[in-house]
Amino acid sequence: DAGVTQSPTHLIKTRGQHVTLRCSPISGHKSVSWYQQVLGQGPQFIFQYYEKEERGRGNFPDRFSARQFPNYSSELNVNALLLGDSALYLCASSLSWGFSEKLFFGSGTQLSVL
Amino acid sequence: RKEVEQDPGPFNVPEGATVAFNCTYSNSASQSFFWYRQDCRKEPKLLMSVYSSGNEDGRFTAQLNRASQYISLLIRDSKLSDSATYLCVVIASGTYKYIFGTGTRLKVLA
Repeated sequence: DAGVTQSPTHLIKTRGQHVTLRCSPISGHKSVSWYQQVLGQGPQFIFQYYEKEERGRGNFPDRFSARQFPNYSSELNVNALLLGDSALYLCASSLSWGFSEKLFFGSGTQLSVL
Repeated sequence: RKEVEQDPGPFNVPEGATVAFNCTYSNSASQSFFWYRQDCRKEPKLLMSVYSSGNEDGRFTAQLNRASQYISLLIRDSKLSDSATYLCVVIASGTYKYIFGTGTRLKVLA
């Protein structure tokens, strides 16, 4: 079975541009969450979606938005990119939404903002 | 104070050694805890859940101390392949937000 897939794997953008990152969860998983990981730090929670509804949001500016589609795939959008947005963006899927759910991560999208 | 704190290391240990990491959390209402492993430039992978009674998986033992608000990971008989960063994860009650520590880097030396 396929794991969590993310695209693209690498992306280079310039300041002020917009970016869309995509994620397909493991088959049967209905929850997707997004994380930002800066080098040397742990993943920081951005969003969680379950059954196409936002269930949680981290401390990120409104330039960050996301959505989940009927097939449970998800997009993360970042507007007006800043140099500080350069990071590894990780998508994780889980069967459901709750405090005991195990997260399974994709290999991430490495975003570089120049 | 950070919600989840870990010693970043690195912990350099010889093969066969026993090594332990701690992770402290600030929210006493935290309900669930996990350890994840992350290899360099790879995605985090679930290592084990942490249960109140403690749990063991082969060479790995996880413990939870609610009174002192920390979780621990013990690795026995370290292998070269155990070299990685170990991330603790705490899930806050109600919000279900997964809060990661910064990770502890382990290097097992031949």
